[in-house]
Amino acid sequence: QQPVQSPQAMILREGEDAVINCSSSKALYSVHWYRQKHGEAPVFLMILLKGGEQKGHDKISASFNEKKQQSSLYLTASQLSYSGTYFCGTGQGSGGTSYGKLTFGQGTILTVHP
Amino acid sequence: DAGVIQSPRHEVTEMGQEVTLRCKPISGHNSLFWYRQTMMRGLELLIYFNNNVPIDDSGMPEDRFSAKMPNASFSTLKIQPSEPRDSAVYFCASSFGTGSSYEQYFGPGTRLTVT
Repeated sequence: QQPVQSPQAMILREGEDAVINCSSSKALYSVHWYRQKHGEAPVFLMILLKGGEQKGHDKISASFNEKKQQSSLYLTASQLSYSGTYFCGTGQGSGGTSYGKLTFGQGTILTVHP
Repeated sequence: DAGVIQSPRHEVTEMGQEVTLRCKPISGHNSLFWYRQTMMRGLELLIYFNNNVPIDDSGMPEDRFSAKMPNASFSTLKIQPSEPRDSAVYFCASSFGTGSSYEQYFGPGTRLTVT
């Protein structure tokens, strides 16, 4: 089942912060975050594994709450280059044919204005 | 290093014709994924391979779709016969290692239009 992302879309001014959420109805082993610009391929941002860790680089970070089956992506002091569609991809982990596969959310469209 | 390579980048074909999409994964990666992206359905996994073996093809829409990976550096996705509802962007992605704990690297995609 597809994870649910919220919000579906958001508009920011440069320098503002944003949070994008990803919720699953299934137990998760991993959460991946990707950004896709119009007409381009999704680009990997970061991956979080079971263990509730938080990761980040530069001004983009993410958390993973495995008990709540949720992940959040944090964008700090947004830049124009952050505009795009953000996808979370969830992995159910070990065992069976689902081991390697990701199920992607419907995406969150982020627009950053000057 | 070259990323994932897909060809063709654009394909326009008539309903009923056979379409073959090609993918070359990143060297050294042992998992390969085929996705389809549409506005209505989003990004859907069609099939994935590990060490050239199909692991899960539950996302393949119907028998008109087939995928092969004859060796570690090449995979094809074939649609025969094609239908207008197959119009979409098809992405190939590869990753190093098995399992969902490895990041996937996407190719530029093939935009397929079936008229």
